[in-house]
Order: sequence, then structure tokens, then C-alpha cells
Amino acid sequence: NAGVTQTPKFRVLKTGQSMTLLCAQDMNHEYMYWYRQDPGMGLRLIHYSVGEGTTAKGEVPDGYNVSRLKKQNFLLGLESAAPSQTSVYFCASRLAGVRNEQFFGPGTRLTVL
Amino acid sequence: AQTVTQSQPEMSVQEAETVTLSCTYDTSESDYYLFWYKQPPSRQMILVIRQEAYKQQNATENRFSVNFQKAAKSFSLKISDSQLGDAAMYFCAYRGTYSGGGADGLTFGKGTHLIIQP
Repeated sequence: NAGVTQTPKFRVLKTGQSMTLLCAQDMNHEYMYWYRQDPGMGLRLIHYSVGEGTTAKGEVPDGYNVSRLKKQNFLLGLESAAPSQTSVYFCASRLAGVRNEQFFGPGTRLTVL
Repeated sequence: AQTVTQSQPEMSVQEAETVTLSCTYDTSESDYYLFWYKQPPSRQMILVIRQEAYKQQNATENRFSVNFQKAAKSFSLKISDSQLGDAAMYFCAYRGTYSGGGADGLTFGKGTHLIIQP
């Protein structure tokens, strides 16, 4: 099992460009999450999904969109990147049931110039 | 909204000694879960230990143990016999059961940078 994988690992964008980050998991997890981590901060929840075809907002959703068309994939989109979106982005997934832990991907470092 | 506070930006300990990292949280829920995650320079988030609020017994995992004080909303991590490989950022995190609604996911503290002195 590959676990949770993220594509790409690094990316540099110019202000106003768009891009999509891909998260994939092979553990048949129902729940998936996108977090961002800024210097001196813990991870903050952007959006999450409790199942295929569903998405919901987290703590810092502005400027991002997400889609969960397939159970194993969770996409994070930036339509018009801004320097404030420079961050490390983490994807995570878990089985349904409140007791189950989240498994994290390796992160994507995004720089917006 | 829940908040998690880690008041120690950085801690230093001699190898083989014991260190305690502090964490406090604020919530109105009675049932929830608390976690400590380790983040080494590789950036990978690694679960160290978890505590279920309804359990009075403190969780332990080998050299790692917690002191969970529910009334005080305190959740500290003790690392015994510190090793060089323990050097990392440590994050305290909270997750509620959300039976009354609200966003799923973890709420993290800002982290404590742990330095191990050889």
C-alpha cells in the first residue's frame, strides 16, 4: 500500500495562475482532508470530504475549491493564486468512525511569486 | 470553536533525559480525542500518541506518555530517555465528535520545537 500520496511535491506559481493539487489514497478511506501549514503555525483545515461526491468547508476555505469525484482522490484547486497561498499543503484520510486516526501525505510545498 | 495552545515554542533536553511538552485546549464538548504528532525535518506527520477523553487512564506508547487532566483541559506529553531521533516539531491536536455539527478534522496547536542535546 502506498498510503496517502500527493502530487506534485513542489510547485512555483506566479500570482494569478491556477493549479490543482492531487491527493490519492489506497486505503479505502471515506474521509479526506486538505490542510495548510504556514511557518510558526500548526496545520489548518481548508476543506474536507466525508465521502465520494461530498465536500465541506474547514477553517480557512477562501481562495480554494475542492472536488471528490472518486472515493480515492481528493483534489484541491487554486483558481487564481495569491502570495498569501504560499504554504505547505497536506492531505490526510481516515476511515469513518470518530475513533479512527488520520493518515497524512508527505506534503506539497507551494510558492506563489 | 475549539482552540489548542502550546506555550513552549522551543524546548531543549539532554540525550537520555526526560522532557515534558505542554498543551492546553478549550472546548465545550464532553467527548473528544487528543493527539500528539511528530513532524521531523522530512515534513511527514507521524502520530505519536492519542487519548480518548472518556478514558481516565493516561495513554502510553513505549517511551511516550501523556498526562491528561480533563478538568484543567491539559494534555502534556512526556518523553522518557530522549533520543537524538526524537528531535522534531511536536504538535498537539484536538478532534471532537461533532455530534452537534461543526467541521470535522483536527485543530492543531502551533507546535513545540524539540532539540536533543547529545
